[in-house]
Amino acid sequence: NAGVTQTPKFRVLKTGQSMTLLCAQDMNHEYMYWYRQDPGMGLRLIHYSVGEGTTAKGEVPDGYNVSRLKKQNFLLGLESAAPSQTSVYFCASSPFRTGYSGELFFGEGSRLTVL
Amino acid sequence: GQQVMQIPQYQHVQEGEDFTTYCNSSTTLSNIQWYKQRPGGHPVFLIQLVKSGEVKKQKRLTFQFGEAKKNSSLHITATQTTDVGTYFCAGPDNQGGKLIFGQGTELSVKP
Repeated sequence: NAGVTQTPKFRVLKTGQSMTLLCAQDMNHEYMYWYRQDPGMGLRLIHYSVGEGTTAKGEVPDGYNVSRLKKQNFLLGLESAAPSQTSVYFCASSPFRTGYSGELFFGEGSRLTVL
Repeated sequence: GQQVMQIPQYQHVQEGEDFTTYCNSSTTLSNIQWYKQRPGGHPVFLIQLVKSGEVKKQKRLTFQFGEAKKNSSLHITATQTTDVGTYFCAGPDNQGGKLIFGQGTELSVKP
């Protein structure tokens, strides 16, 4: 069972370039999340989705867009990358609504560097 | 806005010493979750506490949820080098749709 898979695992971008991070889960989870992790700041929620075709903003959504066209996939896009977006990005999925009984299953992370 | 604060940020211990990290929320939580992230790894779910005053144990790890459901703690007895990593607490936001993480406590264990 693959669980939550993120691609790519590493990427270096130049300022202004665009890219998409792909998250795929094979657990039939309804809820999916994108977090970024920076030193000393924990995990901050960028966007999340409570089901196919739905998305919502998290704590730090500016500069990012997301899409959930298929239940198993959650895409995170950077239209014009900035150095402040250098971070480690984690995708997570949950079988229930977080806040009630759902634990998060995390992918292995994608390390993005913007020069 | 709603905040989840965690202290200390770093803790260095000698192998065999005990370790405790504390989590405080600005609001009452319906539940609290704990995660562990090994260096270079991803967060892994440890446990969820739901009831006021709840205490749960996993081998050398003891988790507590405060009576007011606004604070929690994780205590590790007799640390081992395998305990190294960052421990996060997380609680649902007021609307229940998102999980808010504390900043984490990074534990290092000297053999």
